[in-house]
Amino acid sequence: DADVTQTPRNRITKTGKRIMLECSQTKGHDRMYWYRQDPGLGLRLIYYSFDVKDINKGEISDGYSVSRQAQAKFSLSLESAIPNQTALYFCATQPSGGYQETQYFGPGTRLLVL
Amino acid sequence: AQSVTQLGSHVSVSEGALVLLRCNYSSSVPPYLFWYVQYPNQGLQLLLKYTSAATLVKGINGFEAEFKKSETSFHLTKPSAHMSDAAEYFCAVPGAGNTPLVFGKGTRLSVIA
Repeated sequence: DADVTQTPRNRITKTGKRIMLECSQTKGHDRMYWYRQDPGLGLRLIYYSFDVKDINKGEISDGYSVSRQAQAKFSLSLESAIPNQTALYFCATQPSGGYQETQYFGPGTRLLVL
Repeated sequence: AQSVTQLGSHVSVSEGALVLLRCNYSSSVPPYLFWYVQYPNQGLQLLLKYTSAATLVKGINGFEAEFKKSETSFHLTKPSAHMSDAAEYFCAVPGAGNTPLVFGKGTRLSVIA
């Protein structure tokens, strides 16, 4: 079984709808991240969390919110989806040792907002 | 702020040829540098990382990278490309002030038979 899972893997939604992307991990890592990937722009950080009570905004948090329900679960919500949120979204985990530690990525969720 | 620049959004090489993917970091010397690889329809995975212990770093699948302070570079190389190396490659560095990784825009590697 995969260590970092994301659901759904693909999602089509309409402008204005609220959607949630979920991430679960079995690696036991405290740190979790949400990124979006756009062609030519690389990965950009949306939110990150160092533990259940710690949530931090990343580079592009506007229009998004997150919830860390447990050490193993970190969800990303789009309160009112818009077409320019069409992208590939990745969740990642990392041990608590610091930024030199390896990040482990999920398989991604491909989101299309019509 | 710390940043990395990847020169060339797309690199195409013949099978068996040298692979060279370029990454330059911003002026302040970073404690760590990373190369991640994304195979088609997959998430990213670590290829190799520099941690100041050695300037030449060997990674998985025959890749290596050399940290050159004088050139502010951390270029990724592989002597002989294989079809399975076709992927997107990302250079990354920790952000300023102990903040999360900052990724480059990526370089897509195509390998031609």
